[in-house]
This record gives sequence, C-alpha cells and structure tokens, in this order.
Amino acid sequence: DIQMTQSPSSLSASVGDRVTVTCQASQDIGTSLNWYHQRPGRAPKLLIYEASILDTGVPSRFVGSGSGTDFTLTITSLQPDDFAIYYCQHYGNFMYTFGQGTRVEIK
Amino acid sequence: QVQLQESGPGLAKPSEDLSLTCSVSGYSISRGYYWGWVRQPPGKGPQWIGTGFHTGYTYFNPSLKSRATISVDTSKNQFSLRLSSVTAADTAVYYCARVIGSISAPLDYWGQGTLVVVSS
Repeated sequence: DIQMTQSPSSLSASVGDRVTVTCQASQDIGTSLNWYHQRPGRAPKLLIYEASILDTGVPSRFVGSGSGTDFTLTITSLQPDDFAIYYCQHYGNFMYTFGQGTRVEIK
Repeated sequence: QVQLQESGPGLAKPSEDLSLTCSVSGYSISRGYYWGWVRQPPGKGPQWIGTGFHTGYTYFNPSLKSRATISVDTSKNQFSLRLSSVTAADTAVYYCARVIGSISAPLDYWGQGTLVVVSS
C-alpha cells in the first residue's frame, strides 16, 4: 500500500506569511495528488487536484507543485480563513489514501 | 449549486448494521460522476470508505473487510452506505462526497457530515 507522509505536523504563522506544507508518497504516484483543508467542525474542502490544478473558486494564493514522490502546497500570503488542517490525498488502484494532516495555527 | 446532505441515526449499538443516506440536489446522479463515502474518527484524519457509480459499480477500502455496501437510487437522487457489524472503532463523522472524473479522482463537493456514535 502507498503511504502519504506530511510535514510538518503543525506550524505557527502570521497573516501575510508564506507557508509551505510538504507531502511525500512511499512510491511514484505521478501527479495523482490532491490537497484539501478543513476548518473546525466543517467538511474538508478541495483546494488543488492533479498536484497543481486549482479547484474552481479557490484563491490563487494556493499553489500546488510536485510529481513522483514529493509534493508541495504553498500559501503565498496567509489569510485569516487559511488557519486550518491541510491534508494531501492520493488516488490509485481503486484506493484513496490521506496524509495525516498539517495543522496551520496562528502565531 | 451541487449540495449533498447526509442522514441517518446518530447512535448505533455494537454488532448492529448502520445505514446512512446521502441526498443530492443540484445535479442528477444518473448523469454521471462517482459518489463516495469518507469518515473521520474524532481527532483523526479522513478515511475513505468506498465509492459507487449509478450503474451499481462499487469499490471499497480493503481495511473494512467487506463490511461496507454502497447503493445508488437514481429515482430519489440518493446514494446510501450500509456498514455491518459496527464496533466502537466505527464511531466517526461520516461524509458523502462527489468524485471528479480526473486521474486523481478528487472529492469536490461534500456533505456537512453526520456524527455516528457506536455505543451500547
């Protein structure tokens, strides 16, 4: 089974900061990688799919990159709504796997 | 605007079967897309349960050991999850979601989630 490992597990940042979250796959997954964030008490929200494609209506400050085993989600200028838990998720061979999450907190 | 809404009992007893329904509005299930179920135990990350198509094709997380079933009712524009022989480990918020037809099969629309507690 493919494992998805995110780092860091949590980070503290201020509004306006540039923030980077990484996700590593245990084997080559091409660009089959999605990013979500989840605010407390809410459902996960799709941000980016196929590693770098912004979902409809998602602000352009969210940037996804990577392929193969190493992926990055960058928030170019952190906004108050962005304090949440971020999850990467892989789909392959009729199986979905989520990373363990990265909590982005207010400094 | 596509909207999904889960419904079902908030409490289930150990060894019983759990049934949840997802009602879809703003899009006809029979037109296409896959439809999935994801759960999230308290304080943990999401776990995919299974995915179904309106033709009846389904596939599931092997970790559930064949306890899960998904059915699609196009006449009611709903799809359902049945999880058999539940235990306390099945306590979670259960979400239904739509799957985009891309190589990474992302989940673009989600319900608000329904909490299911398994307890005697």
